[in-house]
Amino acid sequence: KAGVTQTPRYLIKTRGQQVTLSCSPISGHRSVSWYQQTPGQGLQFLFEYFSETQRNKGNFPGRFSGRQFSNSRSEMNVSTLELGDSALYLCASSVLGGVAYEQYFGPGTRLTVT
Amino acid sequence: AQTVTQSQPEMSVQEAETVTLSCTYDTSENNYYLFWYKQPPSRQMILVIRQEAYKQQNATENRFSVNFQKAAKSFSLKISDSQLGDTAMYFCAFMMATGANSKLTFGKGITLSVRP
Repeated sequence: KAGVTQTPRYLIKTRGQQVTLSCSPISGHRSVSWYQQTPGQGLQFLFEYFSETQRNKGNFPGRFSGRQFSNSRSEMNVSTLELGDSALYLCASSVLGGVAYEQYFGPGTRLTVT
Repeated sequence: AQTVTQSQPEMSVQEAETVTLSCTYDTSENNYYLFWYKQPPSRQMILVIRQEAYKQQNATENRFSVNFQKAAKSFSLKISDSQLGDTAMYFCAFMMATGANSKLTFGKGITLSVRP
């Protein structure tokens, strides 16, 4: 089985712009979670989608949003980018969305905001 | 809210020796999962080992084993016969096992260096 894929792998944006990141889960996985990783704050949970519905949300401003499609692929969007949004964005998929299970991570998207 | 604490920012070990990475957590939940993830320089997060809180037996995966002390809320990872490929950041993580929830709460991580 192919692993979790994320596109693009690297992205450079200017402050004030918006960005969309994509995540394709492992085939058959229905839950997709997003995390932000920065040197200062570490790994922080953004949100989780299951069957096209946002099921959990972390403590991030409304500029961060996401969605999930019927094929379980997920996108996250960040509007009005700030310098502090520079981070590695990781997505993870799991087999059974209804049961806490080990999550498989993608390689991440490195976002740099200038 | 759950918290995960990894108090050692860095550790170093000689190849072939054993090293233990510490992790403590705080929760009022009784049912949960604990994980150790490895993040090598490639930044790919890799699951190392998982422990269910209801299981008293400590989990093992080849050279990796845990010491799970539920009452003390401690969850340490022991790496035996360390190899150069074990050089990475290691994150301890917590997940509630109640209902529909896949949120992982991570510690700050520890950088492990394996010396040849």
